[in-house]
Amino acid sequence: ELKVEQNPLFLSMQEGKNYTIYCNYSTTSDRLYWYRQDPGKSLESLFVLLSNGAVKQEGRLMASLDTKARLSTLHITAAVHDLSATYFCAVSPSGSARQLTFGSGTQLTVLP
Amino acid sequence: DGGITQSPKYLFRKEGQNVTLSCEQNLNHDAMYWYRQDPGQGLRLIYYSQIVNDFQKGDIAEGYSVSREKKESFPLTVTSAQKNPTAFYLCASSVTWGPSNQPQHFGDGTRLSIL
Repeated sequence: ELKVEQNPLFLSMQEGKNYTIYCNYSTTSDRLYWYRQDPGKSLESLFVLLSNGAVKQEGRLMASLDTKARLSTLHITAAVHDLSATYFCAVSPSGSARQLTFGSGTQLTVLP
Repeated sequence: DGGITQSPKYLFRKEGQNVTLSCEQNLNHDAMYWYRQDPGQGLRLIYYSQIVNDFQKGDIAEGYSVSREKKESFPLTVTSAQKNPTAFYLCASSVTWGPSNQPQHFGDGTRLSIL
């Protein structure tokens, strides 16, 4: 059974600071997704990471994938209040169809 | 604009009642999915459909049923057999079933509560 673990589960940070969210998974995977969810809202796709060493950046967010370590990171640079949300990683096992397994999410609060 | 429409936004179920959640997409996607989200948790897959007239159970299918009579529509019925239905239900779709660099797209969700 594929397990996906995110940490931390809760993160409060000051505006302007940097931090990293970690996503570990338990089986081989060749594709990993990051989503953002605002309270009571749907999920918005942020990044799709398809290969070992993949790095993608959008604004203050940068995601990377290390398939050998079974680890993805979501790095936040110079956080701003608008980044406050819950961030989920989701993993699709190698060779499978598109059944995703989601992590529990990291609830990020950026304080002024 | 293309997207996924879920209705209703809020739904209340009485004991012993079946309720149906609607999901319609105009993205021309082949695959559709239903997820359940409980407070403070990730998403869990209930059912998925790769093509019209075909669907498969996900991880937590007990107490739920689906149909896929049209490509655009994938309604979810929460039956009276589901003893703990209170949750946020999300419908999603994707271009194809199989490896893809395209993410799943999500609707705005339906929040179901028991009266």
